[in-house]
Amino acid sequence: DIQMTQSPSSVSASVGDRVTITCRASQGISSWLAWYQQKPGKAPKLLIYAASSLQSGVPSRFSGSGSGTDFTLTISSLQPEDFATYYCQQANSFPPLTFGGGTKVEIK
Amino acid sequence: EVQLVESGGGLVQPGRSLRLSCAASGFTFDDYAMHWVRQAPGKGLEWVSGISWNSGSIGYADSVKGRFTISRDNAKNSLYLQMNSLRAEDTALYYCAKDVGYSGYDYSWFDPWGQGTLVTVSS
Repeated sequence: DIQMTQSPSSVSASVGDRVTITCRASQGISSWLAWYQQKPGKAPKLLIYAASSLQSGVPSRFSGSGSGTDFTLTISSLQPEDFATYYCQQANSFPPLTFGGGTKVEIK
Repeated sequence: EVQLVESGGGLVQPGRSLRLSCAASGFTFDDYAMHWVRQAPGKGLEWVSGISWNSGSIGYADSVKGRFTISRDNAKNSLYLQMNSLRAEDTALYYCAKDVGYSGYDYSWFDPWGQGTLVTVSS
């Protein structure tokens, strides 16, 4: 199974900050990676797919990069509504499809 | 508008069974693979099972293999998860999610997700 490791597990940041979250796969997954945002009490929402493609309706301050084993999600200028938990997910190998452990973005 | 509505959760004793359902609307159901993803209280996301559009391909997480069975009824636009031999560690919010079907592949990313149905396994 492919293991997905996210770092950091939490980050404290201020509105306007640039935030970067990393996801590492235990083996190469090409660009078969997605990023989700989950707010408390809500279902996850797809932000980025195929490592760097922005899902329709998602603000352009979100961007994704990487391929192979190392990926990043960047929020260029953190907004109040971006405080949430973010998860990566690999889709290179089925089954299983696997998620990272999550990164909580908190208010500093 | 695409909608996924889960039902069937509840409190169940260890060792017992439960069947979850997911009613889909707003899209051509039999064009897409579907998944169950769960989230234990205060924990991260765990993919549970996925099924292709025609049920020809099915997969399970090791943690549920042999105990859970995924199925779908395309005529009823519905997805199911039969959960047997439930354990305390199966306690979670269970989400139904539609696969995007990226680039024609059966399995890729999940969008959208339902609001989830809570399963609590406790004596």
